[in-house]
Amino acid sequence: DVKVTQSSRYLVKRTGEKVFLECVQDMDHENMFWYRQDPGLGLRLIYFSYDVKMKEKGDIPEGYSVSREKKERFSLILESASTNQTSMYLCASTTYRQGLMNTEAFFGQGTRLTVV
Amino acid sequence: KNEVEQSPQNLTAQEGEFITINCSYSVGISALHWLQQHPGGGIVSLFMLSSGKKKHGRLIATINIQEKHSSLHITASHPRDSAVYICAVNHINKLVFGAGTILRVKS
Repeated sequence: DVKVTQSSRYLVKRTGEKVFLECVQDMDHENMFWYRQDPGLGLRLIYFSYDVKMKEKGDIPEGYSVSREKKERFSLILESASTNQTSMYLCASTTYRQGLMNTEAFFGQGTRLTVV
Repeated sequence: KNEVEQSPQNLTAQEGEFITINCSYSVGISALHWLQQHPGGGIVSLFMLSSGKKKHGRLIATINIQEKHSSLHITASHPRDSAVYICAVNHINKLVFGAGTILRVKS
């Protein structure tokens, strides 16, 4: 029962290409996140979204943009891919149930992007 | 100082040993997650905790909200447990990750 799906596990793109990484969740979660994971640096937040058409910059937004036209889909866009964007990209989604002190969080399997 | 600190950074154990990985956090949280990532693989959620203790097979996770500390225990460790274990917390609708603990279990 896959809950967060990332469109690709492995992707190879050329420098300068426009790249779309797609993430879809089927749990009606409000919050969605994009992270990148690099050796020695751990997981760093790129962008997140609290609702449809809303987006907030994370810690390392430079070189990226996002789109959330529908609640279930959060896309990460590399406008002009560069070699320093070679990384593992992870999508996550969460919801917070007020009063129950209970938060769900689910993670995609990750997309390993190589820019050559 | 990172908001989520894990220790140790690296851990090598012999098959069968009892393993403990620690996570301390300095922010208010609504939940804490333990995640597992095998080499070259995706991230799998092991536990989500908001209080107390959870057990799944040979894995046990505990959390002490007052002390802002959580532990992940692996009993009777096996080489297939070799992976990166990551602690993450929900803080104001964001997920904040620890740097991860690289575990290697030797046979």
